[in-house]
Amino acid sequence: GQNIDQPTEMTATEGAIVQINCTYQTSGFNGLFWYQQHAGEAPTFLSYNVLDGLEEKGRFSSFLSRSKGYSYLLLKELQMKDSASYLCAVNAAGNKLTFGGGTRVLVKP
Amino acid sequence: GAVVSQHPSWVICKSGTSVKIECRSLDFQATTMFWYRQFPKQSLMLMATSNEGSKATYEQGVEKDKFLINHASLTLSTLTVTSAHPEDSSFYICSARFVSGPYEQYFGPGTRLTVT
Repeated sequence: GQNIDQPTEMTATEGAIVQINCTYQTSGFNGLFWYQQHAGEAPTFLSYNVLDGLEEKGRFSSFLSRSKGYSYLLLKELQMKDSASYLCAVNAAGNKLTFGGGTRVLVKP
Repeated sequence: GAVVSQHPSWVICKSGTSVKIECRSLDFQATTMFWYRQFPKQSLMLMATSNEGSKATYEQGVEKDKFLINHASLTLSTLTVTSAHPEDSSFYICSARFVSGPYEQYFGPGTRLTVT
């Protein structure tokens, strides 16, 4: 079966850094995605990791360790608009995305 | 680029009626489209995978006779919720993947279905 775990909720202060962890156990692995989703809207793509290491894209970075079944999304210089849910998704067997439960991030002033 | 649209964005229907939701890739061709359902404060659950010109593949527990999926062209897939019941009220989201290229999926804006 597929199992993807991430924390339910995190709170951080504007300007700070937050790290959202994701662990996975899936049959097959063709990459890991991070999406941002604001309430009532569709997910938007943030990052894609298929090889081990860190991918940096502006204020957002994502890390992958395939041997550990582990990824994290790092959000730097937090802004109020970053308050959203962050979804970890693994492209597993059958080239289908399996999503974690999502992490709601609340940014406080 | 890579824009996916859905129509309607929200719909209210009476119990027992059917509702059709359209998903279109506007500026690219998609061999594969996916349909997800999302209940409040929950993550996305894959309902089915839709391939152009062939029958959809449904996930375990999803009734194929209730959720009819048609993928008639490389830019259009439709989901019809038949004989809708209040428990079918949810946020339905489609996504599409390029014919060739990375595995990234592009999501539509979602359709909020409320069954009264």
